[in-house]
Amino acid sequence: DQQVKQNSPSLSVQEGRISILNCDYTNSMFDYFLWYKKYPAEGPTFLISISSIKDKNEDGRFTVFLNKSAKHLSLHIVPSQPGDSAVYFCAARQDTGRRALTFGSGTRLQVQP
Amino acid sequence: KAGVTQTPRYLIKTRGQQVTLSCSPISGHRSVSWYQQTPGQGLQFLFEYFSETQRNKGNFPGRFSGRQFSNSRSEMNVSTLELGDSALYLCASSLGTSGEKLFFGSGTQLSVL
Repeated sequence: DQQVKQNSPSLSVQEGRISILNCDYTNSMFDYFLWYKKYPAEGPTFLISISSIKDKNEDGRFTVFLNKSAKHLSLHIVPSQPGDSAVYFCAARQDTGRRALTFGSGTRLQVQP
Repeated sequence: KAGVTQTPRYLIKTRGQQVTLSCSPISGHRSVSWYQQTPGQGLQFLFEYFSETQRNKGNFPGRFSGRQFSNSRSEMNVSTLELGDSALYLCASSLGTSGEKLFFGSGTQLSVL
């Protein structure tokens, strides 16, 4: 039972355009969401996070949007750069019980020069 | 500040053998989590240790075990290896309890033949 789903395994965009990566979750107990970026042969690195009390968080070119009613979050990258090409993982934490992060299966983003 | 260090980087084993993987967290971090990454499955949570105590455990069989030492270094062990155990095993550390921002190592790539 995948509680965090990234339904697009891959995404290709042109340099300078917007990249939108999507993530859906099923557990209404999740209260904190994170995005990680992973390059080949490296571990994932933290990118940006959002608390369930907010609907938007911005950090430079990266913005995360949270729609709690739809149990959906998205990561926007504007403008996209070739160095953004990586696998992006969405993760969520629930507010009670087991609080370990639950990760999605990842979306491979390729930014074409 | 040194990052999370995992050894060995690559490992090849045969079915039925056992394996021990090692992780040294960032200095000062007391929590260590382990994740398994396989293609298409994202990061699956194995377990988390904090101050030498297992805090959380994922849905993996008892063949997967771990421990944490007083210096916060952690090991995970897999006994009676199966072909399906071939994966990238990632260790992550954080300052405190579950669900905080994780800092990942580069992982140990385990191949079971």
